[in-house]
Amino acid sequence: DQQVKQNSPSLSVQEGRISILNCDYTNSMFDYFLWYKKYPAEGPTFLISISSIKDKNEDGRFTVFLNKSAKHLSLHIVPSQPGDSAVYFCAATNNAGNMLTFGGGTRLMVKP
Amino acid sequence: KAGVTQTPRYLIKTRGQQVTLSCSPISGHRSVSWYQQTPGQGLQFLFEYFSETQRNKGNFPGRFSGRQFSNSRSEMNVSTLELGDSALYLCASSLGPGGYGYTFGSGTRLTVV
Repeated sequence: DQQVKQNSPSLSVQEGRISILNCDYTNSMFDYFLWYKKYPAEGPTFLISISSIKDKNEDGRFTVFLNKSAKHLSLHIVPSQPGDSAVYFCAATNNAGNMLTFGGGTRLMVKP
Repeated sequence: KAGVTQTPRYLIKTRGQQVTLSCSPISGHRSVSWYQQTPGQGLQFLFEYFSETQRNKGNFPGRFSGRQFSNSRSEMNVSTLELGDSALYLCASSLGPGGYGYTFGSGTRLTVV
């Protein structure tokens, strides 16, 4: 039973445009959500997070939106750059400080 | 400061063998978690160690085990290897228990033939 799902395995976007990566979760106990970026042959690196008490968090070109009622979060990258091409994982955890539950990842390709 | 170090980076083993992977966390980090990444499966949680105690365990068979030493370094062991164990094994460390503030290592790519 996948508690965190990323339904789009890949996404292709033109440089300068917006990239929107989506993530759905089923466990209502999750209250903290994170996005990680992963390049080949490297470990995931933390990108941005959001607590369930917020519905939006921004950090430069990256914004994460959380819709608790829909159990849905999204990562917006504006403007997209070729260096953003990587696999993006969303992850979730609960207040008990338990382990992260990851989605299957979305491969983003930003074309110059 | 040095990041999370995993050794070896690559490993090829034969079915039925056993393997031990090592993870050295960031200095001062006391929690080490292990994840398995396979194509299409994302990152699957294996286990978490905090202060030498296994704090959480994922849904993996008993062939997968781990331990943590007093210096917070951790090892995971897989016995009786199967072809399906071929994966990237990632270690993450954090100051405290749980998934906040994870820093991942680059992983060990295990291939079982």
